[in-house]
Amino acid sequence: EDKVVQSPLSLVVHEGDTVTLNCSYEVTNFRSLLWYKQEKKAPTFLFMLTSSGIEKKSGRLSSILDKKELFSILNITATQTGDSAVYLCALYGGATNKLIFGTGTLLAVQP
Amino acid sequence: NAGVTQTPKFRVLKTGQSMTLLCAQDMNHEYMYWYRQDPGMGLRLIHYSVGEGTTAKGEVPDGYNVSRLKKQNFLLGLESAAPSQTSVYFCATQNRDRAYEQYFGPGTRLTVT
Repeated sequence: EDKVVQSPLSLVVHEGDTVTLNCSYEVTNFRSLLWYKQEKKAPTFLFMLTSSGIEKKSGRLSSILDKKELFSILNITATQTGDSAVYLCALYGGATNKLIFGTGTLLAVQP
Repeated sequence: NAGVTQTPKFRVLKTGQSMTLLCAQDMNHEYMYWYRQDPGMGLRLIHYSVGEGTTAKGEVPDGYNVSRLKKQNFLLGLESAAPSQTSVYFCATQNRDRAYEQYFGPGTRLTVT
């Protein structure tokens, strides 16, 4: 069965801290892994990863994929209160060739 | 451009009532999706459509029906609402074969009492 597991479920940090969010998966027909940020409303796209070991970076956010060990991490450095959100990991592929979402990690950044 | 819009934004139904959620897009995307999001469950796919006039079941289709009569609109219907359908519903659109470019609507919060 295709599945995506994110950890931790929730996290509280202080501004300036660095956080690492985890996403592990089991999926047939892997095509890509995606990270989304969801604030109060709709998820917004952050990164897409298809190859192992290649880091994607956008400002203070970065992500990397390990296809051998079947996981990805999302790092956020020097966190700000505006980083508070649910971070969703999703796999594209699987038996239905659709997006399969994890349950998300709720990140709260306190001033 | 409005992108992806959803109507209504909020709704409260009584058990057994019916309703239709509308998703509209102006991006000319072929694929459209309906998801539900529940606490601790992530986003789960209800139904999807790969083009006008076509629909298919997703992971949790029971209790829902959909129609895609026009390319820009995707309707989600609840014929007889149940409390288990209390959720936040998101519509998403996608350009063909570019999964990372799923654009989400703002969501509809539905409560069934």
